[in-house]
Amino acid sequence: DAGVIQSPRHEVTEMGQEVTLRCKPISGHNSLFWYRQTMMRGLELLIYFNNNVPIDDSGMPEDRFSAKMPNASFSTLKIQPSEPRDSAVYFCASSLLDSSEQYFGPGTRLTVT
Amino acid sequence: KQEVTQIPAALSVPEGENLVLNCSFTDSAIYNLQWFRQDPGKGLTSLLLIQSSQREQTSGRLNASLDKSSGRSTLYIAASQPGDSATYLCAVGGGADGLTFGKGTHLIIQP
Repeated sequence: DAGVIQSPRHEVTEMGQEVTLRCKPISGHNSLFWYRQTMMRGLELLIYFNNNVPIDDSGMPEDRFSAKMPNASFSTLKIQPSEPRDSAVYFCASSLLDSSEQYFGPGTRLTVT
Repeated sequence: KQEVTQIPAALSVPEGENLVLNCSFTDSAIYNLQWFRQDPGKGLTSLLLIQSSQREQTSGRLNASLDKSSGRSTLYIAASQPGDSATYLCAVGGGADGLTFGKGTHLIIQP
């Protein structure tokens, strides 16, 4: 299995631009999670989906952030408009509902200038 | 709200030593506890998963214990090697829910 796939691996954009991060979970996994990692706050859960349905988005920092999971093999995290304080590494993870071990992707390093 | 604390924040030891990393959490109603390793600029690699009904898990030179009632877990690394140098993260929760992470222990093994 290829593991969790994220794209792009690096993204540099200017403040005010729209940013879209993509994730392909491990085939057969039915839970998907988006996390953000910064030096100051560590790793934080943003949102998670079970069977493509958003369950808890209380970690999404602002309305500028949105996430979708149109099917079992694809999810996006969108930031519009982006701000310099959004600079961080964004991780996607997936798991089986009844297994609970989470497998992480390599992350997307976002820099907003 | 669940809070996870890892002690120490950083640790540097000579190669060959046995060492213990500590993790504590405030809410004992957890589904499981997972230990991860993160190398600089890389993603997270799962090391061990302990279900809430278990007391410990072992993988090679690694042993993790869980005491739910006291809100504590330890990761024991035997006969440390320079390749063990990394940041070790403890996370609780899981199942169909997300994980709450500690800030990690930055470990350096001196050759």
